Amino acid sequence: GENVGLHLPTLSVQEGDNSIINCAYSNSASDYFIWYKQESGKGPQFIIDIRSNMDKRQGQRVTVLLNKTVKHLSLQIAATQPGDSAVYFCAENSPGTYKYIFGTGTRLKVLA
Amino acid sequence: EPEVTQTPSHQVTQMGQEVILRCVPISNHLYFYWYRQILGQKVEFLVSFYNNEISEKSEIFDDQFSVERPDGSNFTLKIRSTKLEDSAMYFCASSVGGGAGELFFGEGSRLTVL
Repeated sequence: GENVGLHLPTLSVQEGDNSIINCAYSNSASDYFIWYKQESGKGPQFIIDIRSNMDKRQGQRVTVLLNKTVKHLSLQIAATQPGDSAVYFCAENSPGTYKYIFGTGTRLKVLA
Repeated sequence: EPEVTQTPSHQVTQMGQEVILRCVPISNHLYFYWYRQILGQKVEFLVSFYNNEISEKSEIFDDQFSVERPDGSNFTLKIRSTKLEDSAMYFCASSVGGGAGELFFGEGSRLTVL
């Protein structure tokens, strides 16, 4: 997807540092969440998901944290690499619906 | 690795013309979706499709839009009479199950309406 001109919050991190990207989701009834990565000119790519019965889930170099009390998700990327530069979206799904609601996105810039 | 494929990658059309965007979902997936991303805005849900019928649609998906699975592999989005504000990136997605579960997205079709 093309994100030129998208006025996104931007997080700039040094290569090798850890990144934390935050998302406030909208629906307290949402019970399933996905983090997507979108590189310029491409479609969203699945990174990691979490269900509402969990508060933390780890993948390879990534961790998602869920705080249902304040409707907050975060994505932690360990040892950030240049290839991690992209726009990151959280998406939520609620029971009984097929649609995902996407957040506004955060642009991650990795500085060499 | 199986992937969702979309054609065309970019289409330019005149206002009022009909456009058909095509998608080939992952072969063993049963649920199909269209999302769009207007430049400078979020990814927005348009429609979900299962068992040859629309299972859910958003308020954006009005009468000018339609979806179809004309054969066993293709899934199409038709915009009957395009408007300037239809200019966007349109993403097809598919999933094994509906609701909670990983959505696999295609690379998108950019529609430019002049």
